[in-house]
Amino acid sequence: DAEITQSPRHKITETGRQVTLACHQTWNHNNMFWYRQDLGHGLRLIHYSYGVQDTNKGEVSDGYSVSRSNTEDLPLTLESAASSQTSVYFCASSDQGGSNEQFFGPGTRLTVL
Amino acid sequence: DAKTTQPPSMDCAEGRAANLPCNHSTISGNEYVYWYRQIHSQGPQYIIHGLKNNETNEMASLIITEDRKSSTLILPHATLRDTAVYYCIVKDNYGQNFVFGPGTRLSVLP
Repeated sequence: DAEITQSPRHKITETGRQVTLACHQTWNHNNMFWYRQDLGHGLRLIHYSYGVQDTNKGEVSDGYSVSRSNTEDLPLTLESAASSQTSVYFCASSDQGGSNEQFFGPGTRLTVL
Repeated sequence: DAKTTQPPSMDCAEGRAANLPCNHSTISGNEYVYWYRQIHSQGPQYIIHGLKNNETNEMASLIITEDRKSSTLILPHATLRDTAVYYCIVKDNYGQNFVFGPGTRLSVLP
């Protein structure tokens, strides 16, 4: 069955380190998204992509970058991790057009010490 | 900012219908109403969506008022596994991004 996976599921890192979170989907969806979820804030959009080589900034993009070299993957990179980036990160994908419903991955819990 | 208003929390007895309201008084003519839920520590899960007409699927029913300014998600026979945060979102089919508000925390009680 098609699915969306994230790795690692849990990560502890130190301030200043570069961290990359992986997201992989097998639905062949054009659209992919990264959100972060913090207590009291719901889900906030970080970056998104509408297709290969396309990336766009979301509401809270500072300190994060993404690249889209193929349809299946949208890795999220924290260039220099900060304690404020401790959060749960969710990746999602959706098909172009139609109902646009998004399918979410299981999440990555990142702790920056 | 989220364009919807939901009660922060609700309780429902197991086996009863859970009716979750959502106000979206500024909804535009081309915007759909989507419902997602998030069970503790998991990614959000799509439930249902609609434009004008009421919709039903294997998970729930969506009732949208005639003026489209509010809607109700109905879980016909709530189970303990339906305990989750439920998000009501309005979005058109051109924008790809969902804006999640704080949602309603539904507790299904035995």
